Amino acid sequence: GAVVSQHPSRVICKSGTSVKIECRSLDFQATTMFWYRQFPKQSLMLMATSNEGSKATYEQGVEKDKFLINHASLTLSTLTVTSAHPEDSSFYICSARDDGDGYTFGSGTRLTVV
Amino acid sequence: KQEVTQIPAALSVPEGENLVLNCSFTDSAIYNLQWFRQDPGKGLTSLLLIQSSQREQTSGRLNASLDKSSGRSTLYIAASQPGDSATYLCALTTTGKSTFGDGTTLTVKP
Repeated sequence: GAVVSQHPSRVICKSGTSVKIECRSLDFQATTMFWYRQFPKQSLMLMATSNEGSKATYEQGVEKDKFLINHASLTLSTLTVTSAHPEDSSFYICSARDDGDGYTFGSGTRLTVV
Repeated sequence: KQEVTQIPAALSVPEGENLVLNCSFTDSAIYNLQWFRQDPGKGLTSLLLIQSSQREQTSGRLNASLDKSSGRSTLYIAASQPGDSATYLCALTTTGKSTFGDGTTLTVKP
């Protein structure tokens, strides 16, 4: 079946630094990927839709300058949290539409900003 | 706008019991429904995926059902074990966008 690989699974960074999270489709091409975020004790919420070769579409309230999304190839989308602060600590997960018209999720990245 | 509700928010059962987790949704025009498991501080593990045209899926001790007409899905866990303790999330996907419930936190006591 379709597999989406997300790295890293866990990352700890210092406040003020930037962190990049990768979402890679291993055996299919994904023209569209989705990025979600989970606040503590809350549900996962869609942050943005990433389209290969074009700008990402951000949900209302998501700072596009803080959460940079790049989808430069059909198998890779990246989310960069710029100038991270402790309030950015969260669980981030991506999903992608596969060749079989299904949607496959990565396993997620737990970010801790200290 | 799709709204997903999971009841109960938390559940504690003794080992060996059969149990049912509930997920209700407001928009039946879905692409698929997926149940996930999330362990504390860890990522998501996909348990079962039900396509819109299907009514149920089974994997081992797990059985998930989908009733679009009533806007409900259930996850049935048979013969629960302490290792089943986790938060269970349901997610409804329309055209790409997935809406998650808040989850049910299950504790299975030895």
